[in-house]
Amino acid sequence: DGGITQSPKYLFRKEGQNVTLSCEQNLNHDAMYWYRQDPGQGLRLIYYSQIVNDFQKGDIAEGYSVSREKKESFPLTVTSAQKNPTAFYLCASSLSPGQNWLHFGNGTRLTVT
Amino acid sequence: RKEVEQDPGPFNVPEGATVAFNCTYSNSASQSFFWYRQDCRKEPKLLMSVYSSGNEDGRFTAQLNRASQYISLLIRDSKLSDSATYLCVVNRGSSSNTGKLIFGQGTTLQVKP
Repeated sequence: DGGITQSPKYLFRKEGQNVTLSCEQNLNHDAMYWYRQDPGQGLRLIYYSQIVNDFQKGDIAEGYSVSREKKESFPLTVTSAQKNPTAFYLCASSLSPGQNWLHFGNGTRLTVT
Repeated sequence: RKEVEQDPGPFNVPEGATVAFNCTYSNSASQSFFWYRQDCRKEPKLLMSVYSSGNEDGRFTAQLNRASQYISLLIRDSKLSDSATYLCVVNRGSSSNTGKLIFGQGTTLQVKP
């Protein structure tokens, strides 16, 4: 079955450490996205990529970095510069950048203490 | 003013009730509108797109009012399984770039036996 896989489901880190969240899709989608969700808030866009080797900052990119070396993969690194990293992180993809129907992975809950 | 606003609820209704949610958006240039459903601690999933003429899918009806800049979701004959958070999603402007989707904070529905 095609889909998006995020791993791990739960991640715990100490403050000051960088951490990388994995996102892999086998849907052959061109566009991929990273969102962050905090309690009582809507999803906020961190980074997105419309095509391999290209990515754009979203609304809250500070303290995060991404890469898109392969079509299937869009890992997100939460750096020590991110002031409030504890959140639910969701990766999504769409067939093309112009298509608005997003397919989401099942998310990674990151807790930084 | 938030770009997309929803009443967070919770809306507590008995089984079989009809319930309606509204969502307002601030960008008059927005052209694409959606309702996503998110179960507790899970990823969002597309429920339905919202078309200018309104659309219906079984017990669910979505409508768009461009003049007043709001969309609505009506659920008839509520089921226990409808309990979830319903996210209003709007594209930011006339650009077809999917990276510009804005998510509301969601409206929580609890259907009681």
